[in-house]
Amino acid sequence: AQKVTQAQTEISVVEKEDVTLDCVYETRDTTYYLFWYKQPPSGELVFLIRRNSFDEQNEISGRYSWNFQKSTSSFNFTITASQVVDSAVYFCALSEAGSGGSNYKLTFGKGTLLTVNP
Amino acid sequence: ETGVTQSPTHLIKTRGQQVTLRCSSQSGHNTVSWYQQALGQGPQFIFQYYREEENGRGNFPPRFSGLQFPNYSSELNVNALELDDSALYLCASSRRAETQYFGPGTRLLVL
Repeated sequence: AQKVTQAQTEISVVEKEDVTLDCVYETRDTTYYLFWYKQPPSGELVFLIRRNSFDEQNEISGRYSWNFQKSTSSFNFTITASQVVDSAVYFCALSEAGSGGSNYKLTFGKGTLLTVNP
Repeated sequence: ETGVTQSPTHLIKTRGQQVTLRCSSQSGHNTVSWYQQALGQGPQFIFQYYREEENGRGNFPPRFSGLQFPNYSSELNVNALELDDSALYLCASSRRAETQYFGPGTRLLVL
């Protein structure tokens, strides 16, 4: 069974600090997808990134970067020079490709509440 | 914005009642997935509809049921509401195995 662990329940930083959100996953499949979503207080889940299991290249998008390491089953998310608008709950999620019509359901971690203080 | 809409935004029901939640998928998407998010938890998969057929179900009892219509919009029905059904219900649309984009959710409170 697939599982996602976000060990950090809450993180509080001061604006302009860098912050890394940790994500560890478990899966038996060799083909799978990893995601990060952001959930502001309004409740809507906002898609940030999707990686497939065959692509271990790190990715940078503006102040956001992601580090995918299959050897440690981790997919960590770093925000550089954090801003107050980054305050939200961040979820890591896993989807297995499966076989025979898999529904590619998302399995989420419990989320990390990030608070960026001015 | 994702183009995924949900209605209503908020709902208050009493125990034992029935509720129907609605979701309109993003243009070009043929798959709708429903998730339940209890307070302080990550979303939990309820079920998915692909081309009007249920395509997988999470660990939810049969009183949770759904439909998908020819225009790919979807409904989630919950019968015999229980207090523990109070949660944020999220709908996500996608093209089959591709990235799921979420709507704003429906907050259900069962008294």
